[in-house]
Amino acid sequence: GENVEQHPSTLSVQEGDSAVIKCTYSDSASNYFPWYKQELGKRPQLIIDIRSNVGEKKDQRIAVTLNKTAKHFSLHITETQPEDSAVYFCAASIVGMGTGANNLFFGTGTRLTVIP
Amino acid sequence: ETGVTQTPRHLVMGMTNKKSLKCEQHLGHNAMYWYKQSAKKPLELMFVYSLEERVENNSVPSRFSPECPNSSHLFLHLHTLQPEDSALYLCASSHQTTGESLHFGNGTRLTVT
Repeated sequence: GENVEQHPSTLSVQEGDSAVIKCTYSDSASNYFPWYKQELGKRPQLIIDIRSNVGEKKDQRIAVTLNKTAKHFSLHITETQPEDSAVYFCAASIVGMGTGANNLFFGTGTRLTVIP
Repeated sequence: ETGVTQTPRHLVMGMTNKKSLKCEQHLGHNAMYWYKQSAKKPLELMFVYSLEERVENNSVPSRFSPECPNSSHLFLHLHTLQPEDSALYLCASSHQTTGESLHFGNGTRLTVT
């Protein structure tokens, strides 16, 4: 099955700096890569996703890049703010394969702390 | 309102107890999932139901028993659990389309004593 690795496990940045979180995956058939943000005591929430037919996607201060050849994808947060502090999870899955269910395989998470 | 509601939010049970976790989604989705979240581990997929049929069972011990009576409701029945089963149990749902990501509930924090 798919194996997703995520680095770093913890990351501290000064407010206003950028943060980068990296993930690798093992199954070259994976074609959908969402990122989730989980604040303390809350549910994981989708913040951005990318499909294998594009190499980059941006949404305001958040961007995700995908390198299919190397099988890695990254989350970039610019101009970080204290409210960006949370645990971020990457995930990979194969969609459109018949079951209709989206079996996400998650990384171990990165705890991001933005220091005011 | 998250669209996916889980009850109870917290549960403490002894190893000989039987309890059930409940999940309800109001998003019109037709696939539902149980995930286990333990400290310093990836979210572990336990069970997947698509159109009320179980399509995935990732070698979960039989002390966990899922039930999906319809596309809006999902249960996880628990019996004779072990302390290592203490974790946050997350329910999620999605629509049976390509690329629809998961919507999670707030989870049930389970402690087995």
